[in-house]
Amino acid sequence: DVVLTQTPPTLLATIGQSVSISCRSSQSLLHSNGNTYLNWLLQRTGQSPQPLIYLVSKLESGVPNRFSGSGSGTDFTLKISGVEAEDLGVYYCMQFTHYPHTFGAGTKLELK
Amino acid sequence: QVQLQQSGAELAKPGSSVKISCKASGYTFTSYYISWIKQTTGQGLEYIGYINTGSGGTNYNEKFKGKATLTVDKSSSTAFMQLSSLTPDDSAVYYCARGPFDYWGQGVMVTVSS
Repeated sequence: DVVLTQTPPTLLATIGQSVSISCRSSQSLLHSNGNTYLNWLLQRTGQSPQPLIYLVSKLESGVPNRFSGSGSGTDFTLKISGVEAEDLGVYYCMQFTHYPHTFGAGTKLELK
Repeated sequence: QVQLQQSGAELAKPGSSVKISCKASGYTFTSYYISWIKQTTGQGLEYIGYINTGSGGTNYNEKFKGKATLTVDKSSSTAFMQLSSLTPDDSAVYYCARGPFDYWGQGVMVTVSS
């Protein structure tokens, strides 16, 4: 199975600070069809995961543009440009290029 | 609007089975697969498998073969997952999600205890 390694496991930030989360894959996530199926999700406390970014860098509808995704192959990054209180929670990367689909262990974003 | 409404929490005894549901609304049900995901504190998020809501065809993560059985009722736009031979390790929150993981259900907590 593809292993997704997220760093850091915990991220302390102040409101307005910009932060980045890394997701590294044990295999390239480039599909034979040319797409890279790497998504980012946010799970707030007590809620189900909600999608933020799909296909590495495309924002889901309604997601603020302070969120951005980048990367290719095996290295991917989620950046939040100016953390807001509503951004707190656990961030997961997930891939569905390879089967079974897999998830990173999560990065918990907390207030400093 | 798109919604995936899951059934309520389950308390089950070891060795028994549970069947949880995921009712879709706000889109053409058969246009998207439904996936199922397990979440525990220890193991995080694990992918169980998916069902083709049009054909009923399924694809399971090897780890969950024999544990989970996915079915669908197109007439009610509902996907189901049955978990059998339950053990305490099956205690978790189970989510359904639409095709490209763009919509998720609210989750069902399954607790296995004698």
